[in-house]
Amino acid sequence: SYELTQPPSVSVSPGQTARITCSGDALPKLFAYWYQQKPGQAPVLVIYKDTERPSGIPERFSGSSSGTTVTLTISGVQAEDEADYYCQSADSSGAYVFGTGTKVTVL
Amino acid sequence: EVQLVESGGGLVQPGGSLRLSCAASRFSFSDYWMSWVRQAPGKGLEWVANIKQDGSEKYYADSVKGQFTISRDNAKNSLYLQMNSLRAEDTAVYYCARLVSSSGWKFGWYFEYWGQGTLVTVSS
Repeated sequence: SYELTQPPSVSVSPGQTARITCSGDALPKLFAYWYQQKPGQAPVLVIYKDTERPSGIPERFSGSSSGTTVTLTISGVQAEDEADYYCQSADSSGAYVFGTGTKVTVL
Repeated sequence: EVQLVESGGGLVQPGGSLRLSCAASRFSFSDYWMSWVRQAPGKGLEWVANIKQDGSEKYYADSVKGQFTISRDNAKNSLYLQMNSLRAEDTAVYYCARLVSSSGWKFGWYFEYWGQGTLVTVSS
């Protein structure tokens, strides 16, 4: 198994850009995925295959990948984006790993 | 829109058992791998188990191997999680999720849709 490391928290003012990183040794070989979870709600997929955005997810959400780090970027942050965000990856052995989670606070 | 509805959670004593169910609708259930993911109160997400479309392959997190059993009934569009010998650390919201593979210049699997979750509390 392996680990995915995220910063515990990110604070951003409305309209600014939030960047959340996720680091893991296997990420050069494996896709990463991002989930948004608001209090009391189930997680929602916001990015898949490092950079793809599911239908219905606002364009302000984007993903990128470089080496052992993937990044979720929220451009023009809105108050409704305040949530916990988790990265996730998986390997061929059947192990599925979530990142430690990042709380995004909109100031 | 895909719908996943969990049920069966509740309060159980340490050492007890519980069976969770997940009713799937609005998609062809038998075409997809399915999973259980849990989240302890105030904690992060933890993958629990996966099951193949026909039930022939099952995978478990090390933390629940030998303790939990995942199963499905495609005729009833339902996913199950049998949890035995429950411990306080199994207290969590349990989500069922549809599992999808990705291919391309890398590969991976992800949880495309999630249910609303069911709370399991293990306490005396």
